[in-house]
Amino acid sequence: GAVVSQHPSWVICKSGTSVKIECRSLDFQATTMFWYRQFPKQSLMLMATSNEGSKATYEQGVEKDKFLINHASLTLSTLTVTSAHPEDSSFYICSAQGTNEKLFFGSGTQLSVL
Amino acid sequence: GESVGLHLPTLSVQEGDNSIINCAYSNSASDYFIWYKQESGKGPQFIIDIRSNMDKRQGQRVTVLLNKTVKHLSLQIAATQPGDSAVYFCAEMFAGNTGKLIFGQGTTLQVKP
Repeated sequence: GAVVSQHPSWVICKSGTSVKIECRSLDFQATTMFWYRQFPKQSLMLMATSNEGSKATYEQGVEKDKFLINHASLTLSTLTVTSAHPEDSSFYICSAQGTNEKLFFGSGTQLSVL
Repeated sequence: GESVGLHLPTLSVQEGDNSIINCAYSNSASDYFIWYKQESGKGPQFIIDIRSNMDKRQGQRVTVLLNKTVKHLSLQIAATQPGDSAVYFCAEMFAGNTGKLIFGQGTTLQVKP
């Protein structure tokens, strides 16, 4: 089956620093990628939709200047959490959609901001 | 054992019993539904899906039922095994919003040996 690789799987950073998370589709071209955030014992909340070569579409309440999304190629989307604060600590998950509209999820990135 | 979606987030069953996990979805315009299994610290794993033109779909040990009248979805797991212990989420996709999933609250399934 199709594989979506997410990196890093976990990261610890100091408050005020920026963190970049990568989401790669390894064996298919992803026309669209999605970024989710999940707090402990809660559901996945969609943050933004990312289309290759265009600006991401953010969900209501998600700060686009804080969560920078770049989808520069059909196999890579990145999420950068800028000036991270402890309240940004969460599990971030990406999903990728191929041309056949099948969806595949990454394994997630646990971000801890000290 | 059976859960009641939003009001009972944990379902505990005996190994070998059947499990029923329920979900109420939000949008009557949704036309595609997926059940995911999530183990601790991992991304969601696809279990089974169903389109709105169906009311039942079966997989290996799993069955999904869709009741569009009351916007209700259920996942039935036959002969539940310890390896089934995880959090289960239903997700809906609005018609025309291909790929954009809205997840339900989730139910923790605990399987007692």
